[in-house]
Amino acid sequence: DSGVTQTPKHLITATGQRVTLRCSPRSGDLSVYWYQQSLDQGLQFLIHYYNGEERAKGNILERFSAQQFPDLHSELNLSSLELGDSALYFCASSDRTENTGELFFGEGSRLTVL
Amino acid sequence: GEDVEQSLFLSVREGDSSVINCTYTDSSSTYLYWYKQEPGAGLQLLTYIFSNMDMKQDQRLTVLLNKKDKHLSLRIADTQTGDSAIYFCAESLYSSASKIIFGSGTRLSIRP
Repeated sequence: DSGVTQTPKHLITATGQRVTLRCSPRSGDLSVYWYQQSLDQGLQFLIHYYNGEERAKGNILERFSAQQFPDLHSELNLSSLELGDSALYFCASSDRTENTGELFFGEGSRLTVL
Repeated sequence: GEDVEQSLFLSVREGDSSVINCTYTDSSSTYLYWYKQEPGAGLQLLTYIFSNMDMKQDQRLTVLLNKKDKHLSLRIADTQTGDSAIYFCAESLYSSASKIIFGSGTRLSIRP
């Protein structure tokens, strides 16, 4: 158990809809990262938050947004969903005071768009 | 640029050594990592190497880093069925310490 909790584990929805994925980092970790894992694109970095502030953006679509709340949990919002958004979405947290930058991953939220 | 590349599949016989290779493009990488993903699970850190090191050994795992060629490899000695998983190479970028970029993963399968 990594200590990172993601909900929901599975989600099935229709094109055009909007969903919210939630992540609770390990206790004390200030950094939260979001990644998208799809069969044809591997593990793509989406966004990184540190203590409530956005620190880096990767290949995140404009239809997607994220935030990190004062209690350090994070949410990834996906809107106007398309079939190609079907993927496994991982959240990871890290303790940025620890130099190696090891990421602790949740088990992922599997999104299926029909 | 930021790109990490790996071959997609590797099949080895049980008891042999497995060597998984990775190339990266950003010369400012500080740490390079190998993560393991078992079926239905998130990724877990296996080992890492700091960019000023050439080699790191940890039990059955040996990591080799060639900075000149931007090439990283992971050798698993005496490969066992429990080593079947997807192995991801990743780099932490000095130029943007907030990004950790992963390769596409190499699926390791073990033949009896």
